[in-house]
Amino acid sequence: DQQVKQNSPSLSVQEGRISILNCDYTNSMFDYFLWYKKYPAEGPTFLISISSIKDKNEDGRFTVFLNKSAKHLSLHIVPSQPGDSAVYFCAASASGTYKYIFGTGTRLKVLA
Amino acid sequence: DAGVIQSPRHEVTEMGQEVTLRCKPISGHNSLFWYRQTMMRGLELLIYFNNNVPIDDSGMPEDRFSAKMPNASFSTLKIQPSEPRDSAVYFCASSLSVHSTDTQYFGPGTRLTVL
Repeated sequence: DQQVKQNSPSLSVQEGRISILNCDYTNSMFDYFLWYKKYPAEGPTFLISISSIKDKNEDGRFTVFLNKSAKHLSLHIVPSQPGDSAVYFCAASASGTYKYIFGTGTRLKVLA
Repeated sequence: DAGVIQSPRHEVTEMGQEVTLRCKPISGHNSLFWYRQTMMRGLELLIYFNNNVPIDDSGMPEDRFSAKMPNASFSTLKIQPSEPRDSAVYFCASSLSVHSTDTQYFGPGTRLTVL
């Protein structure tokens, strides 16, 4: 049973446009969410996180939005750059736990 | 600063052989995680150590899998005997503490192929 779902396995976007990656979760106990980025032959690297007390967190070109009622979060990348081409993993955890539950990832391709 | 170090980066072995994967966490980090990545299931947590003690091994798929952390700077994941379905990328990650808000830092992974 996948508690964290990324239903789009891939996404292509033109350079300079907005990339929107989506993630849904089922466990209402989750209160901390993260996005990791992964390049081929490398490990995932932390990108941005959000606590459930917020509905938005911004870091440069990256913004994460959280809709708790819909159990949905999204990552916006504006403007998208070719170097953003990677696999993006959404992860969630619950307070008092150490466990990250990861989605299966979305492969983003930014076209020059 | 050195990140999480894993070795080997690639391992090709035959079914039935023993495989040992190695990990050196970031110095000062007290928590260590082993993950497995497959196409179908994404990143799955196999086992978690805190202060060198295994805390949760519920993700370890079978008794063929075992993990140790003899000291704060080294951990191993062993598969014996290996099977073709164990083929995957295995990641080690470390973090400062047990709190979920402490970011987990991943190593580059070991790509395991069992023929």
